[in-house]
Amino acid sequence: DQQVKQNSPSLSVQEGRISILNCDYTNSMFDYFLWYKKYPAEGPTFLISISSIKDKNEDGRFTVFLNKSAKHLSLHIVPSQPGDSAVYFCAASARAAGNKLTFGGGTRVLVKP
Amino acid sequence: GAGVSQSPSNKVTEKGKDVELRCDPISGHTALYWYRQSLGQGLEFLIYFQGNSAPDKSGLPSDRFSAERTGGSVSTLTIQRTQQEDSAVYLCASSREWPGISGNTIYFGEGSWLTVV
Repeated sequence: DQQVKQNSPSLSVQEGRISILNCDYTNSMFDYFLWYKKYPAEGPTFLISISSIKDKNEDGRFTVFLNKSAKHLSLHIVPSQPGDSAVYFCAASARAAGNKLTFGGGTRVLVKP
Repeated sequence: GAGVSQSPSNKVTEKGKDVELRCDPISGHTALYWYRQSLGQGLEFLIYFQGNSAPDKSGLPSDRFSAERTGGSVSTLTIQRTQQEDSAVYLCASSREWPGISGNTIYFGEGSWLTVV
């Protein structure tokens, strides 16, 4: 039972353009959502998060949008840079469930110069 | 240390042997997690320690897997009678008490790469 899904395993985008990564979840108890970025041979690093009381959070080139009714969140990266090439994981947690993070399967992003 | 520290960074073991993987979380972090990532797969939750509460072991794939956290700090993940399907990178992470609160995010170590031959 995959509670967090990233249906696009990969994404290719031209440098300078927008990258849009999508994530869907099924558990309505989730109240906090995060995006992590992972380079090969490294651990995931935190990128940006959003609480369920918000529908948008922005940090520099990164913006996360949350649509609770659709149980959908997305990460926008604009403008995309070659250094953004990595695997991106969305994750969700529920305070009622002890805040354990549940991850999606990841989306590999390739930004072409 | 400043970050989550894991050892060994790489481990090659023969099928059937036991392995121990160690995690030293960030000082002051009461929550500790183990995840694993098999080749081409996502992050799979294994076990979660939160303070003095009973650990959430719901992600452990079989009874060959166990984990301990001594003194509320260092954790050891033990895999007994390793199988080839256990080959993966095992990631440890830690956070402050309530990782869901803004600013209390989860920080990962660089992982222990396990290869069972």
